[in-house]
Amino acid sequence: EAGVTQFPSHSVIEKGQTVTLRCDPISGHDNLYWYRRVMGKEIKFLLHFVKESKQDESGMPNNRFLAERTGGTYSTLKVQPAELEDSGVYFCASSQISSSYEQYFGPGTRLTVT
Amino acid sequence: RKEVEQDPGPFNVPEGATVAFNCTYSNSASQSFFWYRQDCRKEPKLLMSVYSSGNEDGRFTAQLNRASQYISLLIRDSKLSDSATYLCVVNKAGGSYIPTFGRGTSLIVHP
Repeated sequence: EAGVTQFPSHSVIEKGQTVTLRCDPISGHDNLYWYRRVMGKEIKFLLHFVKESKQDESGMPNNRFLAERTGGTYSTLKVQPAELEDSGVYFCASSQISSSYEQYFGPGTRLTVT
Repeated sequence: RKEVEQDPGPFNVPEGATVAFNCTYSNSASQSFFWYRQDCRKEPKLLMSVYSSGNEDGRFTAQLNRASQYISLLIRDSKLSDSATYLCVVNKAGGSYIPTFGRGTSLIVHP
């Protein structure tokens, strides 16, 4: 069974540019989560989808971040315009049901904003 | 005070040693608790859930102390392959199972 995949693995962009990260969850997993780890800090929750609906987006830093999950399959996280403090590793995770404690993480996208 | 606090370490131990990590959490209404393992530049992977009664999985034992609001992870007979960062994860109280991560404790097992 394929795991959670994320694309790209690395992205280096300049401040003010736009970047779109993609996450493909494990097939059949309705729950999809986005997290971010800034260097030296803990992993922080960004938002949670159940199928195509946003269940909880309390962790989104500001309106420069837009997440979508059209059709309830893969998800994208767009940062526009990117700022220096957006640099970090963005993880996606999925789980079969929301009360399932085991979330399966993707390998992450390392974003560097210069 | 951070929601989930861990000693960052590193814990540097020889093979075969027993090592224990603690993690404290601030929200007394937290419902579920986990230990994840993260290898360098890799994604976190669930190591084990932590139950009130304590639970064991091979060389790993997890304990929960609700009164003192801490969880622990004990690793017996450490292996070189146990070297990693161990993340304490506590779900936020409320209807949504949104985990709060600690910063992680680094373990280095040397020959």
